Amino acid sequence: NAGVTQTPKFRILKIGQSMTLQCAQDMNHNYMYWYRQDPGMGLKLIYYSVGAGITDKGEVPNGYNVSRSTTEDFPLRLELAAPSQTSVYFCASSPDKWGVGRVVDEQYFGPGTRLTVT
Amino acid sequence: KQEVTQIPAALSVPEGENLVLNCSFTDSAIYNLQWFRQDPGKGLTSLLLIQSSQREQTSGRLNASLDKSSGRSTLYIAASQPGDSATYLCAPEEGRRGVTGGGNKLTFGTGTQLKVEL
Repeated sequence: NAGVTQTPKFRILKIGQSMTLQCAQDMNHNYMYWYRQDPGMGLKLIYYSVGAGITDKGEVPNGYNVSRSTTEDFPLRLELAAPSQTSVYFCASSPDKWGVGRVVDEQYFGPGTRLTVT
Repeated sequence: KQEVTQIPAALSVPEGENLVLNCSFTDSAIYNLQWFRQDPGKGLTSLLLIQSSQREQTSGRLNASLDKSSGRSTLYIAASQPGDSATYLCAPEEGRRGVTGGGNKLTFGTGTQLKVEL
């Protein structure tokens, strides 16, 4: 059971380039999330998904896009990279709190992707 | 909008001390509150989750309390060890929403950076 995995671990982009940050989980969790963490700041929610085919914006969605075609995968797309997107990106997942027998719904985090845009 | 404050921002203590980390939040209409640990360059590890109906939760040397009405949570670490050195984050989850509503969204504080010295 690998939990939440993210690739790549590090990436340097030039301004205007595009890239996709990959996230996968093998815990059969319905809920998945993307956060960014800037130095000295708390984590901010970018996008989240409550199941395959369903996504919604979080607090800081501008400049990003997501898709959720399967339960396992939740990629984050940066279309035109800007220096303001230099950050550490974390993917997380949690079980469906409406599931039978579920009471607690902790979020489980991946190891992060450190992105620099220059 | 939920705002989360953690005090102190940084703490350095000798091994063996009992510690108190504080978290306050502005919107008391939360569903639960999670405490995380983050090691440098790593992802977040969930330590404890307290549901809004609970007053406290314990795991080993860790004890977290929640006073929802006053917007406060406290993490107690007993008999601190050098391996406890990390940043500790608290994250209240927004209150319940409808079945089709969006996931368990967390708001993070900026954390308390703890160093336990030999």
